[in-house]
Amino acid sequence: EDKVVQSPLSLVVHEGDTVTLNCSYEVTNFRSLLWYKQEKKAPTFLFMLTSSGIEKKSGRLSSILDKKELFSILNITATQTGDSAIYLCAVSASGAGGTSYGKLTFGQGTILTVHP
Amino acid sequence: KAGVTQTPRYLIKTRGQQVTLSCSPISGHRSVSWYQQTPGQGLQFLFEYFSETQRNKGNFPGRFSGRQFSNSRSEMNVSTLELGDSALYLCASSLFGGQPQHFGDGTRLSIL
Repeated sequence: EDKVVQSPLSLVVHEGDTVTLNCSYEVTNFRSLLWYKQEKKAPTFLFMLTSSGIEKKSGRLSSILDKKELFSILNITATQTGDSAIYLCAVSASGAGGTSYGKLTFGQGTILTVHP
Repeated sequence: KAGVTQTPRYLIKTRGQQVTLSCSPISGHRSVSWYQQTPGQGLQFLFEYFSETQRNKGNFPGRFSGRQFSNSRSEMNVSTLELGDSALYLCASSLFGGQPQHFGDGTRLSIL
């Protein structure tokens, strides 16, 4: 059964700090790893990584995937109070014939709290 | 472009009743997936529909079912509600079932 484990489960920092969130996974026929940010409502898409060692970057957020070691990290630099949220890591796998069925397996999430 | 729309936003039901939740995907998206989110279990996959066919199913009892219409809108039904069904139910859509999926705001279901 596919499994995703995130750490830490919660994190409290002050504005300006840099944080690193971790995600390890075990999945058969890995296809992609995704990061989402969830505040009060819908998880919003941050990054999707499919190739090892590729860094995705958007402003203060960046993420890298290590397919050999089966983990990913999400970095947030110069944190702001608006970064307070649950950060979710999820993986997708290829179905029969290489088709990527619409199933994501999520980790428990990391609750990030940024104090002013 | 409108996002994923879920209705209703909130529902209160009693044990033994049944409920139907609705999801309208992003225009042009043909795949709709459903997830249950609870504090204890996190986000868990329920099922996925593509071209009106259930293509993948998670480990939930048969009381949870769904369907998809020709316009890609989807409904999810839960029968004989139990207290443990209280959760946020999220719908996500994508073009063909690949990634990324885009989520709606969810329906919060409370069972009394």
